[in-house]
Amino acid sequence: EAQVTQNPRYLITVTGKKLTVTCSQNMNHEYMSWYRQDPGLGLRQIYYSMNVEVTDKGDVPEGYKVSRKEKRNFPLILESPSPNQTSLYFCASSPTGVVYGYTFGSGTRLTVV
Amino acid sequence: GENVEQHPSTLSVQEGDSAVIKCTYSDSASNYFPWYKQELGKRPQLIIDIRSNVGEKKDQRIAVTLNKTAKHFSLHITETQPEDSAVYFCAAKRGGITGTASKLTFGTGTRLQVTL
Repeated sequence: EAQVTQNPRYLITVTGKKLTVTCSQNMNHEYMSWYRQDPGLGLRQIYYSMNVEVTDKGDVPEGYKVSRKEKRNFPLILESPSPNQTSLYFCASSPTGVVYGYTFGSGTRLTVV
Repeated sequence: GENVEQHPSTLSVQEGDSAVIKCTYSDSASNYFPWYKQELGKRPQLIIDIRSNVGEKKDQRIAVTLNKTAKHFSLHITETQPEDSAVYFCAAKRGGITGTASKLTFGTGTRLQVTL
């Protein structure tokens, strides 16, 4: 089954404790992206990747890092989480070169206390 | 960059009535406009999309219209049912092989409630 898999689904952590949210897709998509969803603000792009070893900032990259060592994986790293990073996070992927929508992961609800 | 505005932010309709959600976009190079439905606690899921060479597209009770000149597009749901209750997001994209062209810019969402 074609899918984007995110883990964990829920995470509660303390300020400053490094964490990683994993994302993996099995559709051989070149493009992968991370979004955060906050009430009244919709979905805002954090980082994206056009292909292996190619990443770039989205609209709200501060406090986040990503890597793309393999085509299928695109982890989101919070080196020193803060309470304002409490949010719902979605990983998404799509092919490039064609006009096509995203396939989203199931989401990670992160709470930083 | 692209900016997508979506209205209304909340919409309450009675079962069987129609619902209309409107979006405007700023980048005239955008040529792909998907709509996503997000049920409570779930991921956004694509329900319908339209490309810039088409003015209207229908899929059963759902339709989307696009006015490229005015840079706005709308989602129409007819004969609404309780299971249509969700948050709906519009989005816009240029399409292409660059990072900017591949980005989907989302509206802020419309919470639709269908009451009995």
